[in-house]
Amino acid sequence: AQSVTQLDSHVSVSEGTPVLLRCNYSSSYSPSLFWYVQHPNKGLQLLLKYTSAATLVKGINGFEAEFKKSETSFHLTKPSAHMSDAAEYFCVVTRPDSSYKLIFGSGTRLLVRP
Amino acid sequence: SAVISQKPSRDICQRGTSLTIQCQVDSQVTMMFWYRQQPGQSLTLIATANQGSEATYESGFVIDKFPISRPNLTFSTLTVSNMSPEDSSIYLCSVDSGDGNQPQHFGDGTRLSIL
Repeated sequence: AQSVTQLDSHVSVSEGTPVLLRCNYSSSYSPSLFWYVQHPNKGLQLLLKYTSAATLVKGINGFEAEFKKSETSFHLTKPSAHMSDAAEYFCVVTRPDSSYKLIFGSGTRLLVRP
Repeated sequence: SAVISQKPSRDICQRGTSLTIQCQVDSQVTMMFWYRQQPGQSLTLIATANQGSEATYESGFVIDKFPISRPNLTFSTLTVSNMSPEDSSIYLCSVDSGDGNQPQHFGDGTRLSIL
């Protein structure tokens, strides 16, 4: 069964320090993977996507993620956290039965300390 | 990317009543999706709404509880019927990107509380 696991429910960093949000997936085939961000009282905004092209994917707002097939990981990183990065982050994969259907991870809440 | 508008943005309803949520897109899209996000939880797909056909529901969701309409390529509605406090959630619609290559774009959601 396809699934996606976000290893940390909460991550707290100081402003200006690096961010690492971890995501592992299990799959019998190569899914498309995404990171979405949800700010309070807002919908979801796409940060980046991986669709079997370059393994290092650059997204918006300085975020990037590296697809590592050998580790079945797709961790999200940012070199320097900003206060505005505080939000909920979701790692998402496509389902094997339909590339239009998505499976969401449980989410990681990022707290940025001043 | 598509601009998606959901109405209402939030509501407080009495148990036993029904609420219809609207999702309007600024461009024609093939597939529209409805998700539920329960408090403190991740998103779960309720159903896929395609124009000209019946909605396809995921396991655990039924048409009697969540009837969906898709009258054209830019609009869909989700009704939450006979509401109970357990239906208190954020309901989000999303659309496919239109080029057959994900990702989906999401509306801001409808925050629903049932008393």
